[in-house]
Amino acid sequence: SQTIHQWPATLVQPVGSPLSLECTVEGTSNPNLYWYRQAAGRGLQLLFYSVGIGQISSEVPQNLSASRPQDRQFILSSKKLLLSDSGFYLCAWSVLGANYGYTFGSGTRLTVV
Amino acid sequence: GENVEQHPSTLSVQEGDSAVIKCTYSDSASNYFPWYKQELGKGPQLIIDIRSNVGEKKDQRIAVTLNKTAKHFSLHITETQPEDSAVYFCAASRTDSWGKLQFGAGTQVVVTP
Repeated sequence: SQTIHQWPATLVQPVGSPLSLECTVEGTSNPNLYWYRQAAGRGLQLLFYSVGIGQISSEVPQNLSASRPQDRQFILSSKKLLLSDSGFYLCAWSVLGANYGYTFGSGTRLTVV
Repeated sequence: GENVEQHPSTLSVQEGDSAVIKCTYSDSASNYFPWYKQELGKGPQLIIDIRSNVGEKKDQRIAVTLNKTAKHFSLHITETQPEDSAVYFCAASRTDSWGKLQFGAGTQVVVTP
């Protein structure tokens, strides 16, 4: 069966520090991968999506970047965090090229202080 | 692009009563409509979905209806229980969108005993 792992679960970082959040998927190949941010406990904002290794599409200009160094690994990064980067970050995967629902990870709660 | 509106933003129901959440979408090419349930501090989980070739789908106490002409779809929860308390998201996507889902803003459902 397919599983998605996301870590860390919580993170407190000072303003101006770097960020690296990692997401890995098991039990499937060539997944679509997504990074979402959820602010104020409600709406889901798509940040990045990837349909293959090295292929990253950005949905919203951010202080963030994403990379996909391996087929089932998706990384969200920042060189210098801002207070506004605080939020709940969710990784998700779906079947490549298909119109199916996502499976979300358990999320990372990031607080920038 | 696709725009999904979701109502109400908050819904309080007595245990045993029914709950209905409604969503409208703007892109007539959207053909996949999933619903997600998010419990506090967790990632959203897919609870039911419907495709545009079907008007209604039911899974135990949960049902979804789709009206393509009016471009709206609804989630119905019958015989609500306290464990149904959560935030519910509707979403929509189209076949050529690389699986990207456009989410509604979410509905906080509170079931009181």
